[in-house]
Amino acid sequence: DAGVTQSPTHLIKTRGQQVTLRCSPKSGHDTVSWYQQALGQGPQFIFQYYEEEERQRGNFPDRFSGHQFPNYSSELNVNALLLGDSALYLCASSLTGNAEAFFGQGTRLTVV
Amino acid sequence: GQQLNQSPQSMFIQEGEDVSMNCTSSSIFNTWLWYKQEPGEGPVLLIALYKAGELTSNGRLTAQFGITRKDSFLNISASIPSDVGIYFCAGRASGTYKYIFGTGTRLKVLA
Repeated sequence: DAGVTQSPTHLIKTRGQQVTLRCSPKSGHDTVSWYQQALGQGPQFIFQYYEEEERQRGNFPDRFSGHQFPNYSSELNVNALLLGDSALYLCASSLTGNAEAFFGQGTRLTVV
Repeated sequence: GQQLNQSPQSMFIQEGEDVSMNCTSSSIFNTWLWYKQEPGEGPVLLIALYKAGELTSNGRLTAQFGITRKDSFLNISASIPSDVGIYFCAGRASGTYKYIFGTGTRLKVLA
């Protein structure tokens, strides 16, 4: 049973560029949440997708957007990258109605 | 961003010792999750708690949902070197889908 998988594992981008991160949820899960984890801190909620729609959003600017596909996989897009966007981006999947959230290994984004 | 307060921030313990850590919030939560994260990896779910006062175990780990619903506790018994890592609590309030994470407790075990 494959767990949550994210790609790529590492990424280096230049300020002002755009980036797309991908997530495949755990088998049987239909909900995907994205979190940003800065070095030395706990994860911060970006948004959650369910039934291909953004269900809830955290305190992140509109430069952060996402998408969920019919197979429940998801993308996180970040436009106009800033140095402060450098972080570990985590995807968590769950089954709606079930509180347990399972994380992928993350994508380490470095903005230079 | 908003984070829950975890204590202690870090701890060194001897192998075989018991460990206790806690997490406090100014808000009431209806779900608490505990995770362990190792360097370069995503958090791994350890225990989920759903009711005030609930005590749940997973092997040597035991977690409790505080009666006030504003705190949670994690105990690790007879620690071993592979317990090394950062432990995060995460709480979720009623009517919301987001988890708010704690600041983390970094555990180091001395063999």
